[in-house]
Amino acid sequence: QEQLVQSGAELKRPGASVKVSCKASGYIFINYDINWVRQAPGHGLEWMGWMNPKSGNVGFPPTLHGRVTMTNNPSMATAYMELTSLTADDTAGYFCARRVRYDSGRFDAFDSWGQGTMVTVSA
Amino acid sequence: DIQMTQSPSSLSASVGDSVTITCRSSQTIGKYLNWYQQIPGKAPKLLIFAASNLQSGVPSRFSGSGSGTEFTLIINSLQPDDFATYYCHQTSSSPYTFGQGTKLEIK
Repeated sequence: QEQLVQSGAELKRPGASVKVSCKASGYIFINYDINWVRQAPGHGLEWMGWMNPKSGNVGFPPTLHGRVTMTNNPSMATAYMELTSLTADDTAGYFCARRVRYDSGRFDAFDSWGQGTMVTVSA
Repeated sequence: DIQMTQSPSSLSASVGDSVTITCRSSQTIGKYLNWYQQIPGKAPKLLIFAASNLQSGVPSRFSGSGSGTEFTLIINSLQPDDFATYYCHQTSSSPYTFGQGTKLEIK
């Protein structure tokens, strides 16, 4: 049974950085992209980007360019998401999710999710 | 960016009822549309992929349909565990975007 387990809650000051980890088990880590999604309290879901663990290729929405870094350690089957220059607007739950492809790669969806990591940005 | 708009934003229903949630995209997205269920404090759970395909392990009372710009999620014979928030999600083009969510509450 595939599982993603994330690191614990973080409290950060404005301007600081945060790095969240996502450890995978139950499947071959490098065979699936990891995506990151965040959710501000009481709000909806916001996609933050993807990373291919095998190639290291990444993709981000323009709104986060320059502030987000996604990396991984294949030997530990762990993905990382680092967000810099934090503001109060970055206070949110952060989720990693495995992207699975269907119909010979034509379609994709997030079929397995981490439990979430709450990041609070406050002075 | 493709905007995803769900309706209604919230609805109340009783156990045993059937409900329909609609998701519209600002551009045509074919069948690149997924549905997720989220219980408060938990991660989203994939229900439907590629507009109409039931994810393994999801009860058959959930169904999805649509293509292009209009999609529906139907839940038949509501069970207590179904009262949650539902999100549509397009993967037609980057950046991937989600609907704002539909909160399903017990009447």
